[in-house]
Amino acid sequence: GAVVSQHPSRVICKSGTSVKIECRSLDFQATTMFWYRQFPKKSLMLMATSNEGSKATYEQGVEKDKFLINHASLTLSTLTVTSAHPEDSSFYICSAAEGGRGNEQFFGPGTRLTVL
Amino acid sequence: DAKTTQPPSMDCAEGRAANLPCNHSTISGNEYVYWYRQIHSQGPQYIIHGLKNNETNEMASLIITEDRKSSTLILPHATLRDTAVYYCIISNFGNEKLTFGTGTRLTIIP
Repeated sequence: GAVVSQHPSRVICKSGTSVKIECRSLDFQATTMFWYRQFPKKSLMLMATSNEGSKATYEQGVEKDKFLINHASLTLSTLTVTSAHPEDSSFYICSAAEGGRGNEQFFGPGTRLTVL
Repeated sequence: DAKTTQPPSMDCAEGRAANLPCNHSTISGNEYVYWYRQIHSQGPQYIIHGLKNNETNEMASLIITEDRKSSTLILPHATLRDTAVYYCIISNFGNEKLTFGTGTRLTIIP
């Protein structure tokens, strides 16, 4: 299957700092990328959907000013957690899709964020 | 998207076939059945998907009932590395958001 990478894989930061996470589709062009968050022993929860060249669509309850998403090209989307706090500590996972009916979505390996 | 129901957990002996059921009684005619799995602390891995016909690939087989209200994922010869949470998801388009339920935690027993 297609490969999606995330960077960094793990980040520890102090409360109040901002953290940027990159998601790349390595061997295909992703018209749409998704950002999920997963807390311990819970399922993945969708945060937002981003389409290349347009503003992201956020799920209810997700603060768009806190979780900034940029999808500047067909192979790169970034999630910036602004002014991170300990409650933002989580496993952040992106996925990418070429689009079209019945096609697969491919997921990145995830980024573990720990805010001290 | 249609809602799915899966057993919370299952055990399977190593080397045996693992059969994971999923109910999706409200699936509509143009929605696909997707299966993903998540090994601890990793991103979900795509396994297989289908619309009406049974599907097989190098990882698994997918059996969809004729009325499409349920399906079964089959791992033909389970290994310890197949221990994971398996998610059955109904979706229309590949670039449509996926709604993850609680999945089935499959444990392969040596």
